[in-house]
Amino acid sequence: GAGVSQSPRYKVAKRGQDVALRCDPISGHVSLFWYQQALGQGPEFLTYFQNEAQLDKSGLPSDRFFAERPEGSVSTLKIQRTQQEDSAVYLCASSLVFGLRETQYFGPGTRLLVL
Amino acid sequence: DQQVKQNSPSLSVQEGRISILNCDYTNSMFDYFLWYKKYPAEGPTFLISISSIKDKNEDGRFTVFLNKSAKHLSLHIVPSQPGDSAVYFCAASGSGGSYIPTFGRGTSLIVHP
Repeated sequence: GAGVSQSPRYKVAKRGQDVALRCDPISGHVSLFWYQQALGQGPEFLTYFQNEAQLDKSGLPSDRFFAERPEGSVSTLKIQRTQQEDSAVYLCASSLVFGLRETQYFGPGTRLLVL
Repeated sequence: DQQVKQNSPSLSVQEGRISILNCDYTNSMFDYFLWYKKYPAEGPTFLISISSIKDKNEDGRFTVFLNKSAKHLSLHIVPSQPGDSAVYFCAASGSGGSYIPTFGRGTSLIVHP
């Protein structure tokens, strides 16, 4: 079956521009996670959904970052007024349920470059 | 402050030999540990995990060892193959708090033919 897909794969934005990153999780997966991976770093948690409910957004770096999953499947991560420090790979992951031992399946990521 | 540390950014190993990747953690609430493998332009893929009630978990060529007193875990790959060349991330999570894993910075493994 299809894995987690993300689009676009690459995005170049001018500073101050708004961007929207899309994630299509594995069909039937309840949980969806967004991570930010800066160059040379590991993935850092941004936010988490269980179905359409955003249960944890403690990792969002500022109020310029907004995520939604209105129908409990596809999710969009929106960054308003992008800054150069937002340049990173944004990874989406999904898991069947939410639990300590549930395997997260990652998408290929969207590489965002803010000029 | 990094709670999960992978102090070796890179490791080079000859094909057929053992690869040992190390990971240290500081948060005593962590009780579940994972290793992910990442190829360029792909997302991380789950490799192997270990619960804090164990000190060893084995899956084919991959073995993870956990030393709770030292807050240290390691991933052993035997024998190493060129296809194992990738970045390996150590991650930790805790049932006492957040289930969401905290990742290390990764170790780039190169296996030479």
